[in-house]
Formats: sequence, C-alpha cells, structure tokens
Amino acid sequence: NAGVTQTPKFQVLKTGQSMTLQCAQDMNHEYMSWYRQDPGMGLRLIHYSVGAGITDQGEVPNGYNVSRSTTEDFPLRLLSAAPSQTSVYFCASSYPLGGYTFGSGTRLTVV
Amino acid sequence: GEDVEQSLFLSVREGDSSVINCTYTDSSSTYLYWYKQEPGAGLQLLTYIFSNMDMKQDQRLTVLLNKKDKHLSLRIADTQTGDSAIYFCVPLPGSSNTGKLIFGQGTTLQVKP
Repeated sequence: NAGVTQTPKFQVLKTGQSMTLQCAQDMNHEYMSWYRQDPGMGLRLIHYSVGAGITDQGEVPNGYNVSRSTTEDFPLRLLSAAPSQTSVYFCASSYPLGGYTFGSGTRLTVV
Repeated sequence: GEDVEQSLFLSVREGDSSVINCTYTDSSSTYLYWYKQEPGAGLQLLTYIFSNMDMKQDQRLTVLLNKKDKHLSLRIADTQTGDSAIYFCVPLPGSSNTGKLIFGQGTTLQVKP
C-alpha cells in the first residue's frame, strides 16, 4: 500500500501565482485533513473533510480552498500565493476514531 | 476548542529514560495519540491510549494517563539516538467524530551520545 501520497515534494512559487497541492490515499479512509507546519508553531489545521462532498475549515483556512469529489483525493488549492504561505504542508487521512496516517509533506516556498 | 500544552525541549543521554509530558483541556477525549516526527520527515503514529485506561506499555514505550488531571505522559526507556525527534501529544476530540485533530507545538527530544 502506498498510504498517503503528496505531490509535489518541493515547490517554489512567485507571489500571486496559484497552484494545487495533491493528496491521495489508497486506504479508503473517510477523514482527510491538511495541515501546515511552521517553525515554533506545531501543526495547524487548514481544512478537513469527513467524507466525499463534505469539507470544513480548520484554524487557518484563509487563502486556501479544498474540495473532496472522491474518497481518495483531497487537493489543496492556493488561490494567490503569498510569502506568508511559505511552509511545509502535510496531508493526513484516517478512519473515524483511527490514528491519522500522514504523507511525507510538500515544502513550499513563495518568493 | 482543544488546547494541548507540552514542554518544548527535552535533552537526555543515550541509555537514560525520557519522559515527555502533556496536558490537554478536552475531558471527553476518547483516544489520546502520540506522534513522532523525525527531522525532515512526516509524522508517524507512535502509540495511543484509550481514555478508560491508566497505562499502556509497548516495548520501550509506556504511556500514562491521569484523566482527572488531564495529563498524559510518554516514557521512553533506554533512549537511543534514533529517538531524537519531535513528539506530539494529540487527543481525539470527544464531542463528535469531526476528524478535527488539533496539534500543539510538540516536544523536541534531543538524545546525546
């Protein structure tokens, strides 16, 4: 099993550009989430989903959009990249009451 | 919402025991997880405890839960240099299955040879 796959692993964007971070899981998990990790800040929840067609905002949703058209995929869209969005992004998935499985992360730099 | 507090840094010598402490606010948390993040890597589930247990042992790991005080600890026996990582205490919200895991800042464990 691949688990949770995130692409790309590294990305450099210019301010104002848009892009989509991809996340796919092959474990048939209902729950999926996106986190960002910044030095000294731990992980902060951006958006999450409890099933296909259902998404909700986390702690820091501004500047990001998500959709969940299938159980497997949960892409994160940056609409107009800003330097404040420079971070490491993690996608995670789980069953209800299960521990989350995390992807290996996407390191994003916005210049 | 849930709030988690951990000390930011712990340094131990190889072979010693490490104890990482955590306090949380949601008294209805059903599962309490410990995650480990090695440098430059994603997070991996290390162990967990059900809220109706006081202790769980898993090889070198011992998890203690004081539900009354909302205090969770992770003890690593015979700590090795490979245990150097950030450790996150993560209570699963008990109010509903929202999929909304909240992480604190984590504890950075440094193991000196």
